[in-house]
Amino acid sequence: SQQGEEDPQALSIQEGENATMNCSYKTSINNLQWYRQNSGRGLVHLILIRSNEREKHSGRLRVTLDTSKKSSSLLITASRAADTASYFCATDRGNNDMRFGAGTRLTVKP
Amino acid sequence: EAGVTQSPTHLIKTRGQQATLRCSPISGHTSVYWYQQALGLGLQFLLWYDEGEERNRGNFPPRFSGRQFPNYSSELNVNALELEDSALYLCASSRNPGNHYEQFFGPGTRLTVL
Repeated sequence: SQQGEEDPQALSIQEGENATMNCSYKTSINNLQWYRQNSGRGLVHLILIRSNEREKHSGRLRVTLDTSKKSSSLLITASRAADTASYFCATDRGNNDMRFGAGTRLTVKP
Repeated sequence: EAGVTQSPTHLIKTRGQQATLRCSPISGHTSVYWYQQALGLGLQFLLWYDEGEERNRGNFPPRFSGRQFPNYSSELNVNALELEDSALYLCASSRNPGNHYEQFFGPGTRLTVL
């Protein structure tokens, strides 16, 4: 069964704008990971945040985690057309039990 | 370092047939995961193998099965194919199971059941 729920399902922005995607989950987790998928291809790992961390940065990516609300957000700053993809959050409940959400489809218009 | 590879890229079968999908993990990775992604949907966890053993299984019927070989490559077998089995099947690998390891994905096998 799905664990993460991404919000929104789809997001369309102009190049240069920031994109924010949210993820909610239901059970306690070991860590939460964000992945990116270009159309019909394999997923690429973006960033991992552990349950005892609140914020993490990687280049133009910023991830926050609020375990009390069981939610996470992914912020992509200064978006580019090449950022167009689907973004998935995945919750690791320990023992490598990873569950993915349905994803947010991001479109960045040039 | 070579990434995760999957074969075949595309597979077309008819209802009732069997499909075999293959995956080679990144060198040094002992865990292999299989996921099903139906068109436009998220990933559904199928199976996790590590050190040749099935460690966890998602909510799929027994006609979805697999195995992991001594070289850590893996096969996913789907018996008695149904139309709704049409999907992208993704394989991923990671290092020894433990805390906080990311998964590395292959390009997937697109299975079409007619």
